[in-house]
Amino acid sequence: RKEVEQDPGPFNVPEGATVAFNCTYSNSASQSFFWYRQDCRKEPKLLMSVYSSGNEDGRFTAQLNRASQYISLLIRDSKLSDSATYLCVVTKPNTDKLIFGTGTRLQVFP
Amino acid sequence: EAQVTQNPRYLITVTGKKLTVTCSQNMNHEYMSWYRQDPGLGLRQIYYSMNVEVTDKGDVPEGYKVSRKEKRNFPLILESPSPNQTSLYFCASGDPSAGNNEQFFGPGTRLTVL
Repeated sequence: RKEVEQDPGPFNVPEGATVAFNCTYSNSASQSFFWYRQDCRKEPKLLMSVYSSGNEDGRFTAQLNRASQYISLLIRDSKLSDSATYLCVVTKPNTDKLIFGTGTRLQVFP
Repeated sequence: EAQVTQNPRYLITVTGKKLTVTCSQNMNHEYMSWYRQDPGLGLRQIYYSMNVEVTDKGDVPEGYKVSRKEKRNFPLILESPSPNQTSLYFCASGDPSAGNNEQFFGPGTRLTVL
C-alpha cells in the first residue's frame, strides 16, 4: 500500500463549481499534513497546512480525519486559475521528511 | 527575494558523463533536500541534509551523491548517469526548527540521459 494515496483525476469542473479531493495515508502516527499546489512544469508550492480542527483559507477548506486516516481539500467557486495538480503531503512520524502523494489534477473550464 | 535556485534548468547528456546540478538558497535554511519526480510515482526523496556536513539518504539514493560544505548550497552529483535517471529534479529547503515543515522548492531541472 502506498504511504499516501490520491485519485489522479483529472477532475474537470466548470467555473464556479465546488470540488473536493480526498487523500488517504497509511501511517496512523503521522503528525503533519499539507496540501501543495503544482502548476504544469513548475515547482510545488505550499497551498495550506491541514490542522486537526480543520481550517479555511478563502475559498479553500482543508479537513483531517485521523480515525479514517484521510485528508480532504474543498475548493468553492472554482476559478480558471485553480487549474493545477494538488499534492497531498504527510510527514513521516518522528522526522521532518515529507511524503508526497502523486497528485490530483484539476482542470477548471469556462 | 527569498528563493531556491537550480542550475541548469534543462540538460541533455549521454550515459556515463558526470554531471552536477547546483542548488542554492538564500533563506538561511538548515534543511535541504533533493527530489525526483516521475509520472505516476510522484516526488521521491533522493538525499537530504539537516545541516552543513550532515547528509542522509532518502528513498532513492542509488546513483547520486550530494555534499553540503556550505549552508546555502547543496549540489546533486551524478557520477555516471544512466537513462533511468532521466527525470525532473527539484531541490528544496526548509526550516523545521521554526515549527513547521514547509519546504520551498527550486524551479526544477529537467534531465535527459541518452
